[in-house]
Amino acid sequence: DVKVTQSSRYLVKRTGEKVFLECVQDMDHENMFWYRQDPGLGLRLIYFSYDVKMKEKGDIPEGYSVSREKKERFSLILESASTNQTSMYLCASRFLRGGGRDYGYTFGSGTRLTVV
Amino acid sequence: GQNIDQPTEMTATEGAIVQINCTYQTSGFNGLFWYQQHAGEAPTFLSYNVLDGLEEKGRFSSFLSRSKGYSYLLLKELQMKDSASYLCAFGDSNYQLIWGAGTKLIIKP
Repeated sequence: DVKVTQSSRYLVKRTGEKVFLECVQDMDHENMFWYRQDPGLGLRLIYFSYDVKMKEKGDIPEGYSVSREKKERFSLILESASTNQTSMYLCASRFLRGGGRDYGYTFGSGTRLTVV
Repeated sequence: GQNIDQPTEMTATEGAIVQINCTYQTSGFNGLFWYQQHAGEAPTFLSYNVLDGLEEKGRFSSFLSRSKGYSYLLLKELQMKDSASYLCAFGDSNYQLIWGAGTKLIIKP
């Protein structure tokens, strides 16, 4: 089975800190995604990447950046953390070429970030 | 434009049947997914429909009507462990998944 690993399950950071959230997948997936999930708002796409060194803005990229230097790793960076970035962050990956149900996502276990 | 809608919360009784509806609007469609998400955990894949009709998988079934922009997830013989949020999502013309906000299902004994 595909495994998507997020480096931290829980994280507490101070306002203004630079925060790195790491995500690693082990099945050679081309596509990787970062979402945040808030009650009542569902999953909101922050950034995604369809290949190494490639990145695209999602629906809510402000205050975030990403890095994809290697195929298996997709990092989310909060340049200067703010309290409104307190959320659950979910990383996902997929193998698009499979088609059909194979282009569904496999999610990491999530990082619950609290900014104080 | 694109949108997707599902009820915020539903309550059902252990052993019963529940149907969670999902409606969507999009100009490009590449299948509909259902995911299950227990509190504090990641979503996990439940089902995928790309053609009209019913797909059955054990206690869970998923239905799709493309002409009506409608899908439902049917859960039979409900168990307490089915208490979770259920997310529907459709694939758009670029194969991006567009997500509903999720339906929180509460199972009562």
